[in-house]
Amino acid sequence: QQQVKQSPQSLIVQKGGISIINCAYENTAFDYFPWYQQFPGKGPALLIAIRPDVSEKKEGRFTISFNKSAKQFSLHIMDSQPGDSATYFCAALYSGGGADGLTFGKGTHLIIQP
Amino acid sequence: DSGVTQTPKHLITATGQRVTLRCSPRSGDLSVYWYQQSLDQGLQFLIQYYNGEERAKGNILERFSAQQFPDLHSELNLSSLELGDSALYFCASSPNPPGSSYNEQFFGPGTRLTVL
Repeated sequence: QQQVKQSPQSLIVQKGGISIINCAYENTAFDYFPWYQQFPGKGPALLIAIRPDVSEKKEGRFTISFNKSAKQFSLHIMDSQPGDSATYFCAALYSGGGADGLTFGKGTHLIIQP
Repeated sequence: DSGVTQTPKHLITATGQRVTLRCSPRSGDLSVYWYQQSLDQGLQFLIQYYNGEERAKGNILERFSAQQFPDLHSELNLSSLELGDSALYFCASSPNPPGSSYNEQFFGPGTRLTVL
């Protein structure tokens, strides 16, 4: 059972455009939603995270939008740059259980064309 | 650089063998996590330790085990290796205790395991 569904699998965006990656979750107990960026040969790096008590969080060019009723959240990358080309993973966690293993989506391979 | 170190970077071994992967968390982080990344399964949580104690298990096989030592470094032991165990194994550490509102996990560079 895939608890976090991520789409699209791959995405091509022109330089300067907006990249949008979507995730949907099933477990309503999830209460922490991070996004990770991974370059080839590297480990995932934490980009930005949100809790469900807010609907949006912005850090620089990266914004998370969160829709609790729809059980969906998305990552927006504004003014996308070639250096943003990487694989992006959404994840979710239930912090109240005392066990903090992240449940990841399958990833989105993003290519920013110059 | 996340501050999490993992050794070795690459490991090639044969089926049936046993290997040990090592992780040193960021200075001061008490929580250590192990994840497996493969093409078919994606990134999967294996096991979590906090200050030397096991806190949670994910999709970890019985052939796999781990421990966290008093100096907080951790080792993941994989035994009776099969071809399907070939994957990237990541260690992550966190400054947040289990159950925190924000659980920032910082990943190491990984160990690529190839089972022939």
